[in-house]
Amino acid sequence: SQTIHQWPATLVQPVGSPLSLECTVEGTSNPNLYWYRQAAGRGLQLLFYSVGIGQISSEVPQNLSASRPQDRQFILSSKKLLLSDSGFYLCAWSRQGASRGFGYTFGSGTRLTVV
Amino acid sequence: DAKTTQPTSMDCAEGRAANLPCNHSTISGNEYVYWYRQIHSQGPQYIIHGLKNNETNEMASLIITEDRKSSTLILPHATLRDTAVYYCIVRAVIQGAQKLVFGQGTRLTINP
Repeated sequence: SQTIHQWPATLVQPVGSPLSLECTVEGTSNPNLYWYRQAAGRGLQLLFYSVGIGQISSEVPQNLSASRPQDRQFILSSKKLLLSDSGFYLCAWSRQGASRGFGYTFGSGTRLTVV
Repeated sequence: DAKTTQPTSMDCAEGRAANLPCNHSTISGNEYVYWYRQIHSQGPQYIIHGLKNNETNEMASLIITEDRKSSTLILPHATLRDTAVYYCIVRAVIQGAQKLVFGQGTRLTINP
C-alpha cells in the first residue's frame, strides 16, 4: 500500500531563518506531488506541483521554492522566512497522468509558526 | 477551473442524514466532482468522487444532477466524528497533474 510521510509535524522558526520541509511517498512510482498551504482560518492554497524529477510548477509568486531531487521526494524550502509564511503545510500525491478517478492522498501536515 | 459554491456552515443531529449541497454550474463534460473533508488540524481525507452517475461507498453517497451543475454529498447516519469542513472540488487536469482547487468548504457540525 502507498504511504506518504511528512515532517516535522510542528515547527517554530524566527523571521529570516531558512526552511526545509520534506515529504516522501512509499509504495508507488512516478507520482504527482503537491504542496499546499492553509493559513489560519483559510482554505487550502496550491503552492507547487511536480509531475517528475526536477519538474516543478509554481502556482503563486511567493517566498518559497520547491524541489524534487528524487522520484518520491518533494521538498519545500525558503531562504528567509517571513511572518506571512506561517501556516499549515500539506504535501499530497496522486497517480500520474489524467487517469480518471484518482484523487489525492494527503500527508499529516506541518504546522509552521514564524515568530 | 470550474468554481464551486457551498454553504459556509451546516448543522445536523447525530444519527440523522447530513446532506451537503454544492453548485458547480460551469463544470465541463470531462471534469469529475470530488469531495474531501478536513478534520481540525489534519490533512484532508478523500470521501468520494463521481462524473455523471450517483456513487456510493462505505463513507457516503454522491448524488449528481442530470445537468451536472450541482451535487449533494450524503452522510447517511452522521456521527460526532463526522464534524469537519467538507470540500466540494471539481478536478482540473493540467499537463498530467491533477490540480484540486479547494474553496472554503462547508463547516459541518454534528450535534448530540
